[in-house]
Amino acid sequence: AQSVAQPEDQVNVAEGNPLTVKCTYSVSGNPYLFWYVQYPNRGLQFLLKYITGDNLVKGSYGFEAEFNKSQTSFHLKKPSALVSDSALYFCAVTDSGGGADGLTFGKGTHLIIQP
Amino acid sequence: DTAVSQTPKYLVTQMGNDKSIKCEQNLGHDTMYWYKQDSKKFLKIMFSYNNKELIINETVPNRFSPKSPDKAHLNLHINSLELGDSAVYFCASSRGPGPDTQYFGPGTRLTVL
Repeated sequence: AQSVAQPEDQVNVAEGNPLTVKCTYSVSGNPYLFWYVQYPNRGLQFLLKYITGDNLVKGSYGFEAEFNKSQTSFHLKKPSALVSDSALYFCAVTDSGGGADGLTFGKGTHLIIQP
Repeated sequence: DTAVSQTPKYLVTQMGNDKSIKCEQNLGHDTMYWYKQDSKKFLKIMFSYNNKELIINETVPNRFSPKSPDKAHLNLHINSLELGDSAVYFCASSRGPGPDTQYFGPGTRLTVL
């Protein structure tokens, strides 16, 4: 069974400061990890993913995430936060077991960027 | 052009009714999914289809029946609606199964009264 933990319900950051949204995962095979963002009353937008290769993955809107196999983590980061980054962020995982496995999502983290 | 579209966007109905939600993708993808997002924003996979064949059927009541007439469409029919079915339902598609990025539709907010 696969699972994702996002330990923080909410993260508050001042505009211009760096931000980190935490994610840890558990899978039986090799992990494929994703970050999605959801704005109010909207669908999920893909930000970035880790499949293999470089542990630092760069994605949309200046976001990046670092895959850490030993800590089973895939934290989302951005060097300088914008007010427009305020949204609900989901970490998700599927494994390399094959088949059309759906994504297993974390419970989401509300990111609030204060002006 | 909308990549993954769903209709309707909002659906309000009475308990016991039967309703359908339609999903279409114009990305040429082979795999489509239905997810349910509850009032606490928790997202859970319901079904997955690959090339019109059912791959995943999570623990979902039999009242929920997906139908895939072709690779570009995955509809969700719900019989005998219950209060607990109230949620936002998202359709998604990916090029194939496994690690391919899933692209989500805008969601259908279902309210059962």
